[in-house]
Amino acid sequence: QITLKESGPTLVEPTQTLTLTCTFSGFSLSTSGVGVGWIRQPPGKALEWLALIYWDDDKRYSPSLKSRLTITKDTSKNQVVLTMTNMDPVDTATYYCARRPGSGYSFDYWGQGTLVTVSS
Amino acid sequence: QSVLTQPPSVSAAPGQKVTISCSGSSSNIGNSYVSWYQQLPGTAPKLLIYDNNKRPSGIPDRFSGSKSGTSATLGITGLQTGDEADYYCGTWDNSLSTGVFGGGTKLTVL
Repeated sequence: QITLKESGPTLVEPTQTLTLTCTFSGFSLSTSGVGVGWIRQPPGKALEWLALIYWDDDKRYSPSLKSRLTITKDTSKNQVVLTMTNMDPVDTATYYCARRPGSGYSFDYWGQGTLVTVSS
Repeated sequence: QSVLTQPPSVSAAPGQKVTISCSGSSSNIGNSYVSWYQQLPGTAPKLLIYDNNKRPSGIPDRFSGSKSGTSATLGITGLQTGDEADYYCGTWDNSLSTGVFGGGTKLTVL
């Protein structure tokens, strides 16, 4: 059974750095082709692709947010961490992590999401 | 402004068929596989279609996907009230080297 779960602060002040952790089970991030990505969704708005880390530590970032994002993995702990610097109220959103299976461009399993509010 | 263009809303009666379009370009849909996601109110997205037209285990064959050139289409037959949700297309953009999503389509089953 594959599961993913996001954890981190629910409230962040403007200019602070957000750190989110995705803890997963049922698969290994050392398996060839597998990746874990982050996607966010502001309230009432569309999904936005943020970042993806592959089994071989290759990383991809949204061009518009690349300067603010860092994605890392800890294979032994089955965790992927996303950091986003200089948070702004427009970054208020539900943040999801999801698994990229061994091939293709889809996300086949998603976490439940965590709502992060940016406010002073 | 999303890279992929979807109609904001579609509607149809129970039992009918509906299609949702997703328009892109040669840098994304034209050269990458397309996936489709269903997001029921208050829940995380769920994969409906991957690799243009494949269904994950457990997804009924009422849902289908197709791709032609730089556009993709999600089809849903035998509409049920439980199909009311937001639907998103997604793919990889080779120019941006990033994944991209459509703006989403709200399906209303009248």
